[in-house]
Amino acid sequence: DSGVTQTPKHLITATGQRVTLRCSPRSGDLSVYWYQQSLDQGLQFLIQYYNGEERAKGNILERFSAQQFPDLHSELNLSSLELGDSALYFCASSLQGHNEKLFFGSGTQLSVL
Amino acid sequence: DQQVKQNSPSLSVQEGRISILNCDYTNSMFDYFLWYKKYPAEGPTFLISISSIKDKNEDGRFTVFLNKSAKHLSLHIVPSQPGDSAVYFCAASNTGGFKTIFGAGTRLFVKA
Repeated sequence: DSGVTQTPKHLITATGQRVTLRCSPRSGDLSVYWYQQSLDQGLQFLIQYYNGEERAKGNILERFSAQQFPDLHSELNLSSLELGDSALYFCASSLQGHNEKLFFGSGTQLSVL
Repeated sequence: DQQVKQNSPSLSVQEGRISILNCDYTNSMFDYFLWYKKYPAEGPTFLISISSIKDKNEDGRFTVFLNKSAKHLSLHIVPSQPGDSAVYFCAASNTGGFKTIFGAGTRLFVKA
């Protein structure tokens, strides 16, 4: 158990809808990362937060947004969903936010039908 | 732009032999490298890391080698065990950059 909790584990929705993925980091970790893994693809970096502030951005679509709350949990919001957004979304956390190992949750499998 | 590349999608090795997984990177600013292992239906788990000030780091059966001039790193698993069968991701980050960039992964099969 990595200590990182992601909910829900599975999400099935329709095109055009909006969903929210939730992540609780490991106790004591200040940084949260979001990654997207499409079928047989690597982990695509989306966005990173550190202690409530956005720290780095990757290839995150404008339809996607995220935030980290004062209690350090994070949410990833995906809107105007398209079929191609179907993927496994991972959250990870780390203590400081750079040059250290990340602890991953077990992911949220999103299926857009 | 794929800054971290794992060009072998899969690798098959006999139990007891050495597994060598390779990774190339393009960004010379990367100064910290990691390997993760991922089983189906689980998140990736950290395996081993290396700082750019070193060229080798060892942890039990796992050794990571870094060749900065070639922008290449490799993970050696000796001896390979059936339980090592998983997807292995190479990752890289840099001081101040805050992003950790992952490769596409290599699926390792260790045959008993």
